[in-house]
Amino acid sequence: ETGVTQTPRHLVMGMTNKKSLKCEQHLGHNAMYWYKQSAKKPLELMFVYSLEERVENNSVPSRFSPECPNSSHLFLHLHTLQPEDSALYLCASSQDLPGQPGNTIYFGEGSWLTVV
Amino acid sequence: GQQLNQSPQSMFIQEGEDVSMNCTSSSIFNTWLWYKQDPGEGPVLLIALYKAGELTSNGRLTAQFGITRKDSFLNISASIPSDVGIYFCAGHTNAGKSTFGDGTTLTVKP
Repeated sequence: ETGVTQTPRHLVMGMTNKKSLKCEQHLGHNAMYWYKQSAKKPLELMFVYSLEERVENNSVPSRFSPECPNSSHLFLHLHTLQPEDSALYLCASSQDLPGQPGNTIYFGEGSWLTVV
Repeated sequence: GQQLNQSPQSMFIQEGEDVSMNCTSSSIFNTWLWYKQDPGEGPVLLIALYKAGELTSNGRLTAQFGITRKDSFLNISASIPSDVGIYFCAGHTNAGKSTFGDGTTLTVKP
């Protein structure tokens, strides 16, 4: 139990569906992240939020839409995805943004997404 | 941007053997982190290093923050079957960027 909870753990959706991934952190952290992990590829940073403001968006297609209503919750809204978007989506949090002394990123267990 | 070269890419070892893996970069980092990821799960933090030259242990795991701040290694002693998984290094810069290595896949034969 890392203090970062993701739901659902598994999701199968059609290309015309709209779904959302949810992340909640119970650590009192100020920064939250979405990463994508595809088979045999390194972790890809998608979005970074600090104090509910988006601070980084790494050229992610608009079919992925993040939302951070408060510092404890982060959503990833999914719309008209493609089969190549099938991957493990990892949420993470840290006390502050990377670079602050003593900062560490903690991951959730991930949401397995399959687009059919 | 920063890149981390993690090696080896994969390792096949016998139970009881020691393991060593490392990450190097041309960039300077002020934090090094080592994670382990089991199949179907998220990465779990193993060791965090915050000072150049720091050597930290966590059970059978030992990691060091290179003195140049451009590298780090992770050692696992007396490996056991449950050590199987993918090990990632990650570096953080003062500019607020984090970079992950490509991972080292460890297989332990009983």
